[in-house]
Amino acid sequence: TQLLEQSPQFLSIQEGENLTVYCNSSSVFSSLQWYRQEPGEGPVLLVTVVTGGEVKKLKRLTFQFGDARKDSSLHITAAQPGDTGLYLCAGAYEGTYKYIFGTGTRLKVLA
Amino acid sequence: KAGVTQTPRYLIKTRGQQVTLSCSPISGHRSVSWYQQTPGQGLQFLFEYFSETQRNKGNFPGRFSGRQFSNSRSEMNVSTLELGDSALYLCASSAYRGTNEKLFFGSGTQLSVL
Repeated sequence: TQLLEQSPQFLSIQEGENLTVYCNSSSVFSSLQWYRQEPGEGPVLLVTVVTGGEVKKLKRLTFQFGDARKDSSLHITAAQPGDTGLYLCAGAYEGTYKYIFGTGTRLKVLA
Repeated sequence: KAGVTQTPRYLIKTRGQQVTLSCSPISGHRSVSWYQQTPGQGLQFLFEYFSETQRNKGNFPGRFSGRQFSNSRSEMNVSTLELGDSALYLCASSAYRGTNEKLFFGSGTQLSVL
């Protein structure tokens, strides 16, 4: 059962455009992570957010954790072809040590 | 520092057979988790091992099992393979168990069941 819904499922944009990917749940998470996965490889961790309302920036990527710790967003500014990949959010419930992964957003940035 | 190594990279089996997948975590990492990734279901948690003990288990049938050795290497076994078991099996290691743990994934084993 998928408890983390991501939207949109697919996104194809031109180089230089901005985009936002959403990760939503009805459950409260103690922490939430974002990963990027490229074809033929495993996911690579981009960021971990733990505090409600927290905002983290990684170059052109901005990550936000919702105030209630039930949702998160990933905003990419001036997307580049190198940003192409599958973006996954993953949440950990309080007191557990396993991450539940979202449904994923497949991004394609065209040159 | 070498990353997470999974072997084999690709595997083709037929229904009813069994398969064993191997995962060598990053040196010093004691936690190993296994995930199944399919286009329809995404990344689904299978189980997690820490210090040779299974600590968490996902909602998979008993045909899926695993173990961890004293050197933290882990194996996953699937018995009586079904067509629906075709997937990318990913292993992830982390240094400790905690809600902020960083998971380092291997490249996966692509299993095809014919």
